Amino acid sequence: ETGVTQTPRHLVMGMTNKKSLKCEQHLGHNAMYWYKQSAKKPLELMFVYNFKEQTENNSVPSRFSPECPNSSHLFLHLHTLQPEDSALYLCASSQVENPTYEQYFGPGTRLTVT
Amino acid sequence: AQTVTQSQPEMSVQEAETVTLSCTYDTSESDYYLFWYKQPPSRQMILVIRQEAYKQQNATENRFSVNFQKAAKSFSLKISDSQLGDAAMYFCAYLEETSGSRLTFGEGTQLTVNP
Repeated sequence: ETGVTQTPRHLVMGMTNKKSLKCEQHLGHNAMYWYKQSAKKPLELMFVYNFKEQTENNSVPSRFSPECPNSSHLFLHLHTLQPEDSALYLCASSQVENPTYEQYFGPGTRLTVT
Repeated sequence: AQTVTQSQPEMSVQEAETVTLSCTYDTSESDYYLFWYKQPPSRQMILVIRQEAYKQQNATENRFSVNFQKAAKSFSLKISDSQLGDAAMYFCAYLEETSGSRLTFGEGTQLTVNP
């Protein structure tokens, strides 16, 4: 256990559905991240939040909408997804002031878009 | 843009033996950090070892050590006395200090440990 939890662990949704992924960190960190992990591709950084403010949007389509209500919680709202969005979505957190720059990852949500 | 390359999609090792995973990266920066992350079948990614570019000494964590060659932009991971629990996907990652928290990952190496 890394102190970062994600729910649900598995999600199957149709292209017209709306769903949300949830991430919670219990480490007192102040930065949170969403990554997309597709087969045979490097992890892709999607969004970064520092102190609840979005500091990076890595050219992610608008059908993905992040929300960070506080430093412990991060959501990824999904709507009108495409089959190519099927992937493992990983959440991570870190302490901005920590010079080790270590990120702690959650177990991921396996998303399948049908 | 920085890139990280792991040229070995798959590797295997016999239990108790040593294996080395390769990683190269491309950067024009002098201050950066390098990481090896491990992702077991349970999918929770954990940090194995990290190296600061300004440190000449290679990092070591128990059975895990790195060979950091800054001029060659190479950062290999050596696993000694391999154990069954070492079986996982291993990712090399790069972080530029000026970018804050942006990690750039390689494509990963799937390590199999044979009993």
